[in-house]
Amino acid sequence: QKEVEQDPGPLSVPEGAIVSLNCTYSNSAFQYFMWYRQYSRKGPELLMYTYSSGNKEDGRFTAQVDKSSKYISLFIRDSQPSDSATYLCAMRIRDDKIIFGKGTRLHILP
Amino acid sequence: DVKVTQSSRYLVKRTGEKVFLECVQDMDHENMFWYRQDPGLGLRLIYFSYDVKMKEKGDIPEGYSVSREKKERFSLILESASTNQTSMYLCASSPWTGSYEQYFGPGTRLTVT
Repeated sequence: QKEVEQDPGPLSVPEGAIVSLNCTYSNSAFQYFMWYRQYSRKGPELLMYTYSSGNKEDGRFTAQVDKSSKYISLFIRDSQPSDSATYLCAMRIRDDKIIFGKGTRLHILP
Repeated sequence: DVKVTQSSRYLVKRTGEKVFLECVQDMDHENMFWYRQDPGLGLRLIYFSYDVKMKEKGDIPEGYSVSREKKERFSLILESASTNQTSMYLCASSPWTGSYEQYFGPGTRLTVT
């Protein structure tokens, strides 16, 4: 079983819709959970991070972690064409390396 | 703002050539990383360094070596380039071991013919 699984998409949704991006993981020792956004021909950039189970909100973005189900989500409200990018989930155990998901390609249709 | 720069955006090399990819960060970060990113395989860690002259193998170090002579600079070396090393190479840095955040450069698209 892979440590982190993420549907590669592509996911196409109309502008203004709520987007849900998800990852599952197998290692219960993961402590930090991150979402990176990568625009075409650019490097990934950190979008959000959480440390524990629950929700964390930042503007139109909400990160959700359910440790009991080993499931993390990123919700984007009022999606915009500028949100079109690849979204990578990532997680780590304390001082260990970061494990990245393969990324989900998202297209927001005007 | 943290800035991570990579020496080339696009590079074309021939099989068997020695290739140097350079990465520089300007925020005095302790840790630096080299990844390659391929469709369907995601980001894979090649090597990382947590201090000057220190290096650790990542998940796919075969065919690569690294050098970190100065804190701000981390070089990836392909001793004898092969076609299966055609990929996007991404450099990243993080402030300290255990930091959840990595700052990425723009990437180098390497094609080996």
